Amino acid sequence: GENVEQHPSTLSVQEGDSAVIKCTYSDSASNYFPWYKQELGKRPQLIIDIRSNVGEKKDQRIAVTLNKTAKHFSLHITETQPEDSAVYFCAASYNQGGKLIFGQGTELSVKP
Amino acid sequence: KAGVTQTPRYLIKTRGQQVTLSCSPISGHRSVSWYQQTPGQGLQFLFEYFSETQRNKGNFPGRFSGRQFSNSRSEMNVSTLELGDSALYLCASSLGGAGTGFRDGYTFGSGTRLTVV
Repeated sequence: GENVEQHPSTLSVQEGDSAVIKCTYSDSASNYFPWYKQELGKRPQLIIDIRSNVGEKKDQRIAVTLNKTAKHFSLHITETQPEDSAVYFCAASYNQGGKLIFGQGTELSVKP
Repeated sequence: KAGVTQTPRYLIKTRGQQVTLSCSPISGHRSVSWYQQTPGQGLQFLFEYFSETQRNKGNFPGRFSGRQFSNSRSEMNVSTLELGDSALYLCASSLGGAGTGFRDGYTFGSGTRLTVV
């Protein structure tokens, strides 16, 4: 069935280091891959997304890469800051409607 | 403009009761999706409504139902509550029309925290 696996579940880095979170999806029909950041007690917020016709997208310190053949996509955060500490979720969309399949989340901790 | 509004923010119910949660989308958004968030299961898709019709459905029992009104506001209902239904229920709205997919404004509300005792 539809499934998105996300690794690692927790990630601790020093301020200024890079962080990488990886996701694998099961359905090759997936065509949209957003990443969300959720701070404690707050709603998930979209930080970056990528569509299946693009291999890489960058927005300042954040980048996402997509390998359709391997059904992998990854989030890269460079020059991490303490305010990057949060839970990050990847997701995949299997159709044009409002349904997202989420990964299990990665708790990122950036230590000053 | 106003964001996605979910009411109430917190709710405590007893096992066996039923509950109704409300989601008011961003003005102009016609699609409303509902998710259940728990520490163990993460974010799980419940269903999506578009133009008053259920367009997508997740793998939840029939105790979970929803509807959408002509002004795009949506409600979800859980009947015969179980302890395991304790969760944060999130809704997300988007324009949702043909061809837009997620291109326009898929935004989450702050959620309703449901506790079943």
